[in-house]
Amino acid sequence: EVQLQESGPGLVKPSQSLSLTCSVTGYSITSNYWGWIRKFPGNKMEWMGYISYSGSTSYNPSLKSRISITRDTSKNQFFLQLNSVTTEDTATYYCARWITTLDYWGQGVMVTVSS
Amino acid sequence: DIQMTQSPASLSASLGETISIECRASEDIYSNLAWYQQKSGKSPQLLIYAANRLQDGVPSRFSGSGSGTQYSLKISGMQPEDEGDYFCLQGSKFPYTFGAGTKLELK
Repeated sequence: EVQLQESGPGLVKPSQSLSLTCSVTGYSITSNYWGWIRKFPGNKMEWMGYISYSGSTSYNPSLKSRISITRDTSKNQFFLQLNSVTTEDTATYYCARWITTLDYWGQGVMVTVSS
Repeated sequence: DIQMTQSPASLSASLGETISIECRASEDIYSNLAWYQQKSGKSPQLLIYAANRLQDGVPSRFSGSGSGTQYSLKISGMQPEDEGDYFCLQGSKFPYTFGAGTKLELK
């Protein structure tokens, strides 16, 4: 069974970088697409970007200058880095697999941006 | 970006009642629409993809319909385990965008 698990710090200071890891089991990240999504307080959701089976990436233009998604195929993990965070980046962050749509999601990790 | 307008924001249904949730897109999304259920503290679960295709393992009381800019999710016979948040996702044009969500409660 495909399983995804996010990990990373739950608290980040403003202006610093947010770094999260998505560990995938049961399926290779060298197939299909792998995305990051976040859910803000108040429940609005935002698609952040994805990394493909080949390692190519696509980002939401609203984040384009601050976001980077990379991967380590030897560990079957992919990563999110979001730079210059503000309190508006406080959200629950999810990783998910995309085949036609987002079919498997991680449990999510809550990240608070606060000094 | 394509705007997804989801309604209603909240809904209370009796056991066995049939309910519908709507998502309207700001432009044609060519049936590239999925529906999800999310329970508190859990990951979203895919219910419907490609507007009307039932995901494996999802009870048949869930169904999706629609085309163009108008889509709906129907639950035929509300069950206690159907309580939760529901949202739609358009996968037609990047950046993919979500509906604002519907909170479904058992009356």
